[in-house]
Amino acid sequence: DPKIIQKPKYLVAVTGSEKILICEQYLGHNAMYWYRQSAKKPLEFMFSYSYQKLMDNQTASSRFQPQSSKKNHLDLQITALKPDDSATYFCASSQDGGGGAETLYFGSGTRLTVL
Amino acid sequence: GDQVEQSPSALSLHEGTDSALRCNFTTTMRSVQWFRQNSRGSLISLFYLASGTKENGRLKSAFDSKERRYSTLHIRDAQLEDSGTYFCAAEPFTGGNNKLTFGQGTVLSVIP
Repeated sequence: DPKIIQKPKYLVAVTGSEKILICEQYLGHNAMYWYRQSAKKPLEFMFSYSYQKLMDNQTASSRFQPQSSKKNHLDLQITALKPDDSATYFCASSQDGGGGAETLYFGSGTRLTVL
Repeated sequence: GDQVEQSPSALSLHEGTDSALRCNFTTTMRSVQWFRQNSRGSLISLFYLASGTKENGRLKSAFDSKERRYSTLHIRDAQLEDSGTYFCAAEPFTGGNNKLTFGQGTVLSVIP
């Protein structure tokens, strides 16, 4: 059974719209992350959360907003979507996150296509 | 910024042969993690290393403990199911928060 659930698996959106990518983890971890994999680029770190608090943000645009309603949830809201936002978005988690140096476990990703 | 250089970018292996993938880092890193991405896009963690070597079945990984600027992933007796894209990802000492920098990946094809 997958321990990190990302929904939906595939998502198609029109330019200018807003979408929410869902992530839930059942590993009992306290830290969660978002990474993005664009075509022909390595995965890129976006956000890290530990105990539901934002620890690091490498996303230049405020159109990307993580939302943590529960410790094991970290959703990603994306507003005013652009075609360049097309990518696979991976959620990940680790035990604590605060001090770093932990194994990260990844979900299976949400592949977003913006038309 | 921190750079992770992965080589080779693509590799074809016959079943039963051995090979090694390599990652070089432009700065010293605290830890390295290796992943395999399968055809469905899922990222599977293979190894996490803060130093030394780890082995799991036909896979073995090493992280240079002295200079902390490269890591290797050895594949022994390659099987068809080993095909996929292999990524290394490293975390620098500064910054923390498990902010991994990923390499470009090695696309491995194992052929009969």
